[in-house]
Amino acid sequence: KAGVTQTPRYLIKTRGQQVTLSCSPISGHRSVSWYQQTPGQGLQFLFEYFSETQRNKGNFPGRFSGRQFSNSRSEMNVSTLELGDSALYLCASSLVLDTEAFFGQGTRLTVV
Amino acid sequence: TQLLEQSPQFLSIQEGENLTVYCNSSSVFSSLQWYRQEPGEGPVLLVTVVTGGEVKKLKRLTFQFGDARKDSSLHITAAQPGDTGLYLCAGVTLGGSQGNLIFGKGTKLSVKP
Repeated sequence: KAGVTQTPRYLIKTRGQQVTLSCSPISGHRSVSWYQQTPGQGLQFLFEYFSETQRNKGNFPGRFSGRQFSNSRSEMNVSTLELGDSALYLCASSLVLDTEAFFGQGTRLTVV
Repeated sequence: TQLLEQSPQFLSIQEGENLTVYCNSSSVFSSLQWYRQEPGEGPVLLVTVVTGGEVKKLKRLTFQFGDARKDSSLHITAAQPGDTGLYLCAGVTLGGSQGNLIFGKGTKLSVKP
């Protein structure tokens, strides 16, 4: 059974650009959550989707957005990138809205 | 704001030693999770403790939830190099979704052969 797949694994962008990250959940999982992980702040919740609807949102600026498609795949977008957006972005999926989820390997974003 | 403090932040030990990692908060949680994250990978859920005072064992790892459901500890017996990684605790507030998780910043463990 394939795990959570995130693409790309690594990304380098320039300040001011925008970026889109992709997450394919485990087959049959309908809930997808996104996290930002940095050494200073640790793992911080961005948002959670279930059945194409955003169910929860963390305390991040509006530059961070996401969506979920009918096949449960999800994308997150960050516009007007800042140096502080450099982080590991993790996606997690679960069958339904649940506190226990499976994480992907993450996308390492570097903003220069 | 609910916070989870993990200690120590870093731990470097020799193979065969025992260690304990702590996760503390002033808030009460409905349950608490422990994860291990290896370099280049996402976190993997090890255990969820639910009842105050609960103790769970996973081979050489022992997890305990405090009586008041505000703190937890992870004890590793006879650590091995394969135990190396970032150990994260996450407190679950009321509700059943990822949006109700509060993560600590983690304890980075290095076990040297």
